[in-house]
Amino acid sequence: DTGVSQDPRHKITKRGQNVTFRCDPISEHNRLYWYRQTLGQGPEFLTYFQNEAQLEKSRLLSDRFSAERPKGSFSTLEIQRTEQGDSAMYLCASSEGGYSNQPQHFGDGTRLSIL
Amino acid sequence: DAKTTQPNSMESNEEEPVHLPCNHSTISGTDYIHWYRQLPSQGPEYVIHGLTSNVNNRMASLAIAEDRKSSTLILHRATLRDAAVYYCIYCRSNFGNEKLTFGTGTRLTIIP
Repeated sequence: DTGVSQDPRHKITKRGQNVTFRCDPISEHNRLYWYRQTLGQGPEFLTYFQNEAQLEKSRLLSDRFSAERPKGSFSTLEIQRTEQGDSAMYLCASSEGGYSNQPQHFGDGTRLSIL
Repeated sequence: DAKTTQPNSMESNEEEPVHLPCNHSTISGTDYIHWYRQLPSQGPEYVIHGLTSNVNNRMASLAIAEDRKSSTLILHRATLRDAAVYYCIYCRSNFGNEKLTFGTGTRLTIIP
């Protein structure tokens, strides 16, 4: 168990650029979540995958955001035409399927800064 | 969204027990209570969860009120490494989606 891995840890970009983040969940975890966290707040849910299927998207996820999880393994989160308000920590979590209320294992996040 | 109420901050002396309270008056009968904590510059870390009975694990104990409208996370002997933001969450499963609804949590400071 190597834990949830996120890449990059930090990303600085200019407003209007596109960015992509990667999450590698714990192997054999079939549930994967993306959250966003701004300073002083708790994480907010963005989207959920069960294997390769994206089953729920938050209203926070505007049309500029897209997430994928091809083959049910790693996941990517892309933000197009970034805005100042996108500056945040983007967290990925995974959990086992099958039983309810399995603990979610979080990565240490990707911190996005928009200049 | 499922909401809980926690004090914004608490302090405790090192090597003393810590009791972190949480109110969840709108919890339903099948919602589990989860606690996570977040150290600076890290993602949240699972601590413990339970439904009705009190729960113990190597990290902490969870005491759940009989009416389930409140719970208390107990750290039996606080260390400096326990300084973190502690989140109390109750989780509703929706076809396998167990998204966590975080509040602002309790910032725990440990005094050496």
